[in-house]
Amino acid sequence: DADVTQTPRNRITKTGKRIMLECSQTKGHDRMYWYRQDPGLGLRLIYYSFDVKDINKGEISDGYSVSRQAQAKFSLSLESAIPNQTALYFCATSDPIGGINEQFFGPGTRLTVL
Amino acid sequence: AQTVTQSQPEMSVQEAETVTLSCTYDTSESDYYLFWYKQPPSRQMILVIRQEAYKQQNATENRFSVNFQKAAKSFSLKISDSQLGDAAMYFCAYRTPQGAQKLVFGQGTRLTINP
Repeated sequence: DADVTQTPRNRITKTGKRIMLECSQTKGHDRMYWYRQDPGLGLRLIYYSFDVKDINKGEISDGYSVSRQAQAKFSLSLESAIPNQTALYFCATSDPIGGINEQFFGPGTRLTVL
Repeated sequence: AQTVTQSQPEMSVQEAETVTLSCTYDTSESDYYLFWYKQPPSRQMILVIRQEAYKQQNATENRFSVNFQKAAKSFSLKISDSQLGDAAMYFCAYRTPQGAQKLVFGQGTRLTINP
């Protein structure tokens, strides 16, 4: 089974709808991240969390909110989706222990807002 | 704020040939990490290679190697003996060793392998 899973894998929704993207991990990592990928822009950080009580905004947090329900679960919500939130969304985890520890990415969720 | 720039939106190479993807970055930090990620059509982000800034020796992973020029803030990826499975989007990324450890990505380079 995959270490980092995201649901749904694909989603089409309409402007104004509330939508939640979910991320679960079995790696036991404390740190979790949400990134957004747009063509020509690469991936940009939306939110990140160090543990269930520590949530921080990234560079493009406007229009998004998150919830860290448990160490293993980190959800991203769009309260009122708009077309320019159409993108590929990635969840990632990392172990904060020192060294060049990598981030492990989920398979991504492709979101289309009509 | 740190920035990462990949100036080649698209590259192509003949199968079995060598190709180099460019990446430059801007930072005032002296200690940091650099990464190359591969994203095939499956969308999965796959770590290809990583480099610690304090190490002068260039990292190598099988057919993948980097040319790390710290003073020039350049971090290029060389793929030798290109294979059809190397076709993907490649992202260069930067991360500080402390704090949030968030990745800052470049815009990506789409690599096509011609048979």
